[in-house]
Formats: sequence, C-alpha cells, structure tokens
Amino acid sequence: NAGVTQTPKFRVLKTGQSMTLLCAQDMNHEYMYWYRQDPGMGLRLIHYSVGEGTTAKGEVPDGYNVSRLKKQNFLLGLESAAPSQTSVYFCASSYVHNQPQHFGDGTRLSIL
Amino acid sequence: DQQVKQNSPSLSVQEGRISILNCDYTNSMFDYFLWYKKYPAEGPTFLISISSIKDKNEDGRFTVFLNKSAKHLSLHIVPSQPGDSAVYFCAASGTRNQFYFGTGTSLTVIP
Repeated sequence: NAGVTQTPKFRVLKTGQSMTLLCAQDMNHEYMYWYRQDPGMGLRLIHYSVGEGTTAKGEVPDGYNVSRLKKQNFLLGLESAAPSQTSVYFCASSYVHNQPQHFGDGTRLSIL
Repeated sequence: DQQVKQNSPSLSVQEGRISILNCDYTNSMFDYFLWYKKYPAEGPTFLISISSIKDKNEDGRFTVFLNKSAKHLSLHIVPSQPGDSAVYFCAASGTRNQFYFGTGTSLTVIP
C-alpha cells in the first residue's frame, strides 16, 4: 500500500527555472494538500483541493500554481523559481476535511 | 501571524517517565485538533486527535487534553520510550478547509 507518493524526492533548480512536483495517492481521498516546511515555521499550506477539478489557495500561495485533473494526482508548479522557495514540500490527503491527513515523505527543493 | 504555537522547541525526558508537549492557539473558531509525529526524512504521521466537544482523548500511551477556555492543548506520553524521539506537531482547524500547524517540538527520550 503506497499511500501518498511524492516525486521527485530531491531537486536543485536555478533561479527562474520552472518545475512541477507530483503527488499521487492511492486511497481514493477527496482532499489533497500541498505544504511547505521551513525552519522555525512549521508546515504552511500552499494550496489545496477538495475534489477532482477543484483547487483553492492556502496561507502562502504566491509563486505557485496547482492542478487536480485526476482524483489521485495533485500537481504543484513553480513557474519561475526564486531562492525564497527553497524548502521541503509535503503533500497530504484525506477523505474529508476534519480527518487526519496522510503525508508523503516530502520533496527537498533547493533554488540557487 | 502564527495561530498555533508550540513554545518549546525541544524537550528531553528519561525513558519511562512522562513526556508533556504543549500547544497554544489563538483562533476560538478552531474545533478540531491533531498531533502528528515526524521522523527525519519522513512525512508527518498522525498520532491522535480531539474535537472541541471533548476535553480528553486517549490512545494507548498517548493522551491529548484540550482546555478550550485557555486555548491550550497538551499531549502526554506515558511511559516515554526511545522510539518516541521525534518532532511533534500540533495542528488545528475550524470551519475553513485548512489546518494550521505549530512549529514543532523535538522530543528526545534518553535511555
């Protein structure tokens, strides 16, 4: 049982480059989330989705875009990477909102 | 502005003793609270939750207490084991589809 899988696990980008982080879940969850974790900041919500074809902004959405074309996948895009986006990114999913979230193991992204 | 706060970045406890991790929140609309445990290079894993209609929830060695008037929750681990050494995050949510996380407390259980 894979749960939540994030791809890639590590990536180094140059400022201005673009990339997409992929999150896949096999638990038929409706809700999916993207967080970033920075030292001393805890986890902060970037964007989330309450079902296939829906997306919504979280606490820190600027500089990111997301898409949920298929129920099992939630993509996070950086159109023009900036050093301030250096972080560890976590994807999570849940059946409904007020239920525990299942997390992936994270993507460590460095932007030079 | 941090709506969920964990004011102790770290905590060390002897094996077999009680570990108490604390969390404070500012938003009175929060009605669901969770604790997650995180090991290095892994994602957070769910530990225990509590809704605002309760003031205590137990699951084995783990108990969460909620004091709504003080906007405070705590996680008790009894007895503490070396495998409990990890970073613990509290999280809270209300009517919006968002969870707010604390900054985490690193627990070290000394054998």
